[in-house]
Amino acid sequence: DAGITQSPRHKVTETGTPVTLRCHQTENHRYMYWYRQDPGHGLRLIHYSYGVKDTDKGEVSDGYSVSRSKTEDFLLTLESATSSQTSVYFCAIRLAGGSNEQFFGPGTRLTVL
Amino acid sequence: AQSVSQHNHHVILSEAASLELGCNYSYGGTVNLFWYVQYPGQHLQLLLKYFSGDPLVKGIKGFEAEFIKSKFSFNLRKPSVQWSDTAEYFCAVNAVGSQGNLIFGKGTKLSVKP
Repeated sequence: DAGITQSPRHKVTETGTPVTLRCHQTENHRYMYWYRQDPGHGLRLIHYSYGVKDTDKGEVSDGYSVSRSKTEDFLLTLESATSSQTSVYFCAIRLAGGSNEQFFGPGTRLTVL
Repeated sequence: AQSVSQHNHHVILSEAASLELGCNYSYGGTVNLFWYVQYPGQHLQLLLKYFSGDPLVKGIKGFEAEFIKSKFSFNLRKPSVQWSDTAEYFCAVNAVGSQGNLIFGKGTKLSVKP
């Protein structure tokens, strides 16, 4: 599983509270991604990182911010959680080389009440 | 903008039936193509990939997919499904030369009846 862990695995929070999800990898991959998965929508890219302190927006970045202060950690922050952000969040890394395949972490199920 | 279309939302088959899941993408350039599988309650796992060479790609667990460039398609097939293949299947495309971002289809849920 490319050494990817996510924490927490489950979280319930209230509308308006800040939430930070953590993705940790142990294999020094340069590219890291945050997706959300919702029924009927598949996976949608929130933000990605192509190196320490290098990040960019994805398809559904509104309401989310990210930080990558070291290679192994990629943090996703919901500054003020809303019910529409209830989802399953997956982190992924991209293997080096030509095929651009990605490997996914175990996911975090977030419920915003 | 790139997009991926998976034609079937939910497919129900009996064990030993043959499977074909459709996937079409919209992008005129060179692509890498992927099928991922997500078993209930689990994360996505790579089933197979195409990035060059033989357009017929074989993956794990007896799955294969054929890249037909003229049809912008990458359909997934398995000659005989098992109950353990019950899962959700996602097609994804990456435009070569981009940042490596994957665009996913909305997924096809496969239910195999024993």
